[in-house]
Order: sequence, then structure tokens, then C-alpha cells
Amino acid sequence: EPEVTQTPSHQVTQMGQEVILRCVPISNHLYFYWYRQILGQKVEFLVSFYNNEISEKSEIFDDQFSVERPDGSNFTLKIRSTKLEDSAMYFCASSEDGRGGYTFGSGTRLTVV
Amino acid sequence: SQKIEQNSEALNIQEGKTATLTCNYTNYSPAYLQWYRQDPGRGPVFLLLIRENEKEKRKERLKVTFDTTLKQSLFHITASQPADSATYLCALDYGNNRLAFGKGNQVVVIP
Repeated sequence: EPEVTQTPSHQVTQMGQEVILRCVPISNHLYFYWYRQILGQKVEFLVSFYNNEISEKSEIFDDQFSVERPDGSNFTLKIRSTKLEDSAMYFCASSEDGRGGYTFGSGTRLTVV
Repeated sequence: SQKIEQNSEALNIQEGKTATLTCNYTNYSPAYLQWYRQDPGRGPVFLLLIRENEKEKRKERLKVTFDTTLKQSLFHITASQPADSATYLCALDYGNNRLAFGKGNQVVVIP
């Protein structure tokens, strides 16, 4: 069964550093997403991406964050100048048509120290 | 703002029984309502989707209902098995390319 692949599975970074989280969505999917889940909290929407541009973003997704699809397969989330409160699981997801169920990756656990 | 409520207490249920979970929301009804399963340290796994004009949807041992008057969805697992033990997430989809998740309801199936 096709899956969404995320790397790395764990990332520890110092406060103020930049991190890039990587995702390979399912190949025939057209919609891509990033969500995050702080430990013990609900899954929160960050951003959706379609046709090489952001289609929706939440209030969490401020200037500190950016997304990119650098080639035909990868989808990245960059977090500049990380803060302690950025520590969370970050999930990438993709969807064929933006209407059905989403396929989520296993996540990257980001720890900011 | 929209609130999505799922029971914060874990549901402990005997193997073979039916587990029923509730998802309540405020404000306006979504175009779609989705249910996901999440295991510890893993990403959500899509289970079922129901549209606002549908009353009920089934998939194998799973059944979802959607009542836009009550602003409520019920999720049923029939003939529950220990392997069904997980957290189940309700997610509202307003057709705007973003899901709003509830906090989830943990199910523990006791052998």
C-alpha cells in the first residue's frame, strides 16, 4: 500500500537553529499538508499546498515557517529560528483530490532544547 | 470559534462488545466528517468519511452516523478486538483544504 514517508523520524535541535523536515507524499496525490501535534494535545493544521503554492495556512504558520516542493517528489517544512514551543510531532499528509481521507506519514518528532 | 468535543475519558470495553464514541461540534456543520485511528507515536490513519447529506456509513466492523441537527457524529466498532485498542480522532472538513481535529478518544479493548 502506498505510504507517505517522513525523514528524519527524530530531530533534536538547539533553540534558534533552523530545521528542515522532509516528506515524500504519495506519487499521484495532488494536495499536501503539514500538521503538528504537541505532546498530549490535538493534531493541529499548519498548511496545505496545491499546484505549487500554499492554498491554506493557519495562524500558527507565521513567517517562521515555510514550505517548498523542490522537485517532483519531495515536500519540505522549514522552521527558522526554532523556539522551545516548536517541540512537537510534525506530520506530513497527502490527498489525491483534497476531499477524501488523507494519508499521513509516521511523523518527525522535533525536540528543541 | 469551532469547538470539537470528544470524550476525554478512555473507553474500556470487553472484547466482542460494541464500542461507541461521540464527536460533538459547535457552529456550522462541515461538508465532510472524517474518523481516524492513531496509535502512540504514529500518524493518524484514515478510517471513514461521511458527507453532510449522509446519515450513516459502514466499512467492515465500523459504522459512522452523522446528525447535522444534533451536530454530532457517532462512531461504532462492533465485535471489538484487542487490536482495536487505540485513540480515535474525529476531524471536520469544511472543504477548504484543512481538517480540524478533536482531541481524540482512547479505546481499550479488554480480552
